[in-house]
Amino acid sequence: DIEMTQSPSSLSASVGDRVTITCRASQSISIYLNWYQQKPGKAPQLLIYAASTLQSGVPSRFSGSGYGAEFTLTLSSLQPEDFATYYCQQSYRTPLTFGGGTKVEIK
Amino acid sequence: QLQLQESGPGLVRPSETLSLTCTVSGASISRSNYYWGWIRQPPGKGLEWIGSVYYTGTTNYDPSLKSRVSLFVETSKNQFSLNLSSVTAADTAVYYCARHFRNGSSGDGFDIWGQGTMVTVSS
Repeated sequence: DIEMTQSPSSLSASVGDRVTITCRASQSISIYLNWYQQKPGKAPQLLIYAASTLQSGVPSRFSGSGYGAEFTLTLSSLQPEDFATYYCQQSYRTPLTFGGGTKVEIK
Repeated sequence: QLQLQESGPGLVRPSETLSLTCTVSGASISRSNYYWGWIRQPPGKGLEWIGSVYYTGTTNYDPSLKSRVSLFVETSKNQFSLNLSSVTAADTAVYYCARHFRNGSSGDGFDIWGQGTMVTVSS
C-alpha cells in the first residue's frame, strides 16, 4: 500500500495568514493526489484533484502543487471558514489511501 | 443537483453483517465515468477507503477488507450498497458513500459525498 504522510498534524494560524500543508507519498504517485477539507460533523469536501486542479466552486485562495512524492496545499489568506481538518489522498493505485490529516486551528 | 444519502442500522452486533445503502438522487447511477464508493472514519480518526463499484458491477476493494466486503448496485432503484461481514468493534465508524470520478490522467477522486451515517458495533 502507498502510505501518505501529512505535516504538520496540526497548526495554529490567524485570519489572513498564509498556510502551507505538506503531503508525502511513500513512492512516486505522479500527479494523482487529491486534497479534501472536513469540518466537524460533516463529510469531507473535495478541494483539489490531480495535484493542482481546483474543484469547481472552491475559492481561489486554495492552491495545490507538487509531483511525484511531495505535494503542498496552500491557503493564501486564511478565512474564518477555513478552520478545519485537511486530508490528502492518493489515487495512483488501489487501495486508495489518505493521509492522517492536518487540523488547522485558530490562534 | 446530485445528492447521496446513506441508510441502514446504526447498531450492529459483533460477528454479524453490516449492511448500508446509498440512494443517489439528481442523476442516474448508470452514468459513465463514475464509480460509487464507500469510505469510513472511525471516531476521532482519519479516512479509510473501503471500495468502489461501477454500475456494471465491477468492483475494487481495499485488500485488508476484501474477504469481508461486498459492494453491489441496484440500477433500478438508483442505489448502491455495502455489506461488511463478521464485524468487530474495530468496524465502528461513520460510513460515507461518495461519487468516485475516474478520468484517467484528468484525475480520480471523490467529488460528491453523502452526509455519513454512524454505525456502532456492540452487543
